[in-house]
This record gives sequence, C-alpha cells and structure tokens, in this order.
Amino acid sequence: EVQLLESGGGLVQPGGSLRLSCAASGFNFRNFAMSWVRQAPGKGLEWVSGLSHSGATPYYADSVRGRFTVSRDNSKNTLYLQMSGLRVEDTAIYYCAKCLSDYDSDGYGFDHWGQGTLVTASS
Amino acid sequence: QSVLTQPPSVSGTPGQGVTISCSGSTSNIRKNPVSWYQQLPGTAPKVLMYRDNRRPSGVPDRFSGSRSGTSASLAITGLQPEDEAQYYCATWDDSLNAWVFGGGTTVTVL
Repeated sequence: EVQLLESGGGLVQPGGSLRLSCAASGFNFRNFAMSWVRQAPGKGLEWVSGLSHSGATPYYADSVRGRFTVSRDNSKNTLYLQMSGLRVEDTAIYYCAKCLSDYDSDGYGFDHWGQGTLVTASS
Repeated sequence: QSVLTQPPSVSGTPGQGVTISCSGSTSNIRKNPVSWYQQLPGTAPKVLMYRDNRRPSGVPDRFSGSRSGTSASLAITGLQPEDEAQYYCATWDDSLNAWVFGGGTTVTVL
C-alpha cells in the first residue's frame, strides 16, 4: 500500500524558515517524480514544486522560486521542501503527491497524496 | 486567477448527469494530458482520472474524462449523494514549466 507521510509543519514568524519532509513507502520511490501542492484555508489547490525521479530536475511555481528548495533522498525514500523567507500568504496545508511518471513534464498526473502538514506564517 | 478555468459550481439531482469543464490554452491542455481530482471536505485530494480518460481502480465507471483542443471535461452520470465534493483539473504547462490547476468546481447534489 502506497503511503506518503508529511511532517515538519508548524507556526513560524514571517521571514522564518521550515523544512518539510515526506516519507514514502509501498512503491519504488526512486522511479517516480514527486511534487508539493498546497492549499490555503478555504482556497483551491496550488502546485508549489516538483522534482524528477533522480532529483536532477527541480521545478518551482513563480510564487516560491528563490525562497523554496525541493530535494529528495532516494536512499531514505524521502522528499523535502526547504522553505525560507516565509510570508503570510504561504500559510496553507502542504501535500506531498506522487507522480505517475518519472518526470513532471510528462503531465500524467498524481496518483497518491499524503494527508498534508499545516504551515502557518504569522506574527 | 487560475491558469485553467473551471465553473465555480454545478448541481444536479440524484441520478442526473453533470459535466465539469476545464479550459486552458495551447501551452497546457492542447499539448498535455489532463487529470482530475476529487476532494471531500477536510480530506486530501484523490485522483479520479489521469491521462485524460483513465480511471484508477476503485473509481466508479460513471466518471469519465475527455480532452479536445484547449479544453477538457469530466462527466458524472447517475449522480450520487456521495459525489458532493470539490473537483479540480490539472495539467503540465510547457511555457511555465509548472503544473497548473483549475480553480475548482463544487458539485452539489440537490
């Protein structure tokens, strides 16, 4: 059974940093691209960042480029999102999602999602 | 403003059919497959359709998807009370080098 378990969320002051983790199990992690998707309170889904199966090809939404860094450790079956320069508008539930392909650009979609971790940027 | 445009809401009575549209552009839907996600209140999104019209196991066959030109659609036939949820379309955008989502459609079963 595929499982994605996010952790690392919490309350942080604007300008602060957090690192999110997504522990994956139940599939061959190194074969699939992974993404982070967020949802602000009462709002829709917003893709944040994605990373190819090998970790060589990262992608970012314009809203986070230069502030967030995505990475993965295929030996630990874990995806990360290092967030710095956090803003109030970054407040959201952050979901980890497994792609159906090894590269995001194939556009096949996401077949599994974690339960999410809440990030709150507030003073 | 979302890159992909969905109607904010659609509704129908039990047993009826409804269709949710998803409008994009030449850099996204025209070139890349579309996937659809269902989100019940307080839960994570769940894939309903991937690569335009492929249903994961466990998704009822009253859900179907299609794509043509710069638009895609999700059809629900024989609407059930448990279909009341938020629905999102998504695809890859070759110009933005990013995944893009629609703003979401609320399906209400009257």
